[in-house]
Amino acid sequence: EDKVVQSPLSLVVHEGDTVTLNCSYEVTNFRSLLWYKQEKKAPTFLFMLTSSGIEKKSGRLSSILDKKELFSILNITATQTGDSAVYLCAVEPGRGADGLTFGKGTHLIIQP
Amino acid sequence: SQTIHQWPATLVQPVGSPLSLECTVEGTSNPNLYWYRQAAGRGLQLLFYSVGIGQISSEVPQNLSASRPQDRQFILSSKKLLLSDSGFYLCAWGRGLGIGEQFFGPGTRLTVL
Repeated sequence: EDKVVQSPLSLVVHEGDTVTLNCSYEVTNFRSLLWYKQEKKAPTFLFMLTSSGIEKKSGRLSSILDKKELFSILNITATQTGDSAVYLCAVEPGRGADGLTFGKGTHLIIQP
Repeated sequence: SQTIHQWPATLVQPVGSPLSLECTVEGTSNPNLYWYRQAAGRGLQLLFYSVGIGQISSEVPQNLSASRPQDRQFILSSKKLLLSDSGFYLCAWGRGLGIGEQFFGPGTRLTVL
């Protein structure tokens, strides 16, 4: 059974801090790993990673994948209160249009 | 550009009542469509996916069913709701195999009392 584990489940930091969110996975025939940000309703897409060691970057957010050790990290530098959200990690198995397997998410709270 | 709609946004239903949630996608053709549920304390769980009209695959046995009567319409139903059906239901669409990225609708918050 495919499995995605995120840590920590919850994190409270001060504005300006840097945070690292973790995601480990077990999946049959891995195809890609995705990160989403969920504020109040629909998750919004952040990154899709398919290759090891290649960092994806968008502003203050960056992510990297290690396919040998089966994990990914999401970094957020110079955090702002608007970064407060649940960050979801998901993997796409390489078997048809089966949908994504999600972790439980990391609830990130940025205090001013 | 593509947009995805879900309704209703919020629903409170008694145990044993029927359910119908609707999802429609605009701006794309032949999308893969997905229903997920997010229960308290749990991650998003895939319920159903569809690669075309009338084609439905279920990931987990449950009290719910799905239908795809049109290319860009996906419906989640139940004949008799259970308390355990409460949760946040999200519809998503994707472009297909190996593309991975999925786009989510605004969701329906269902409370079964």
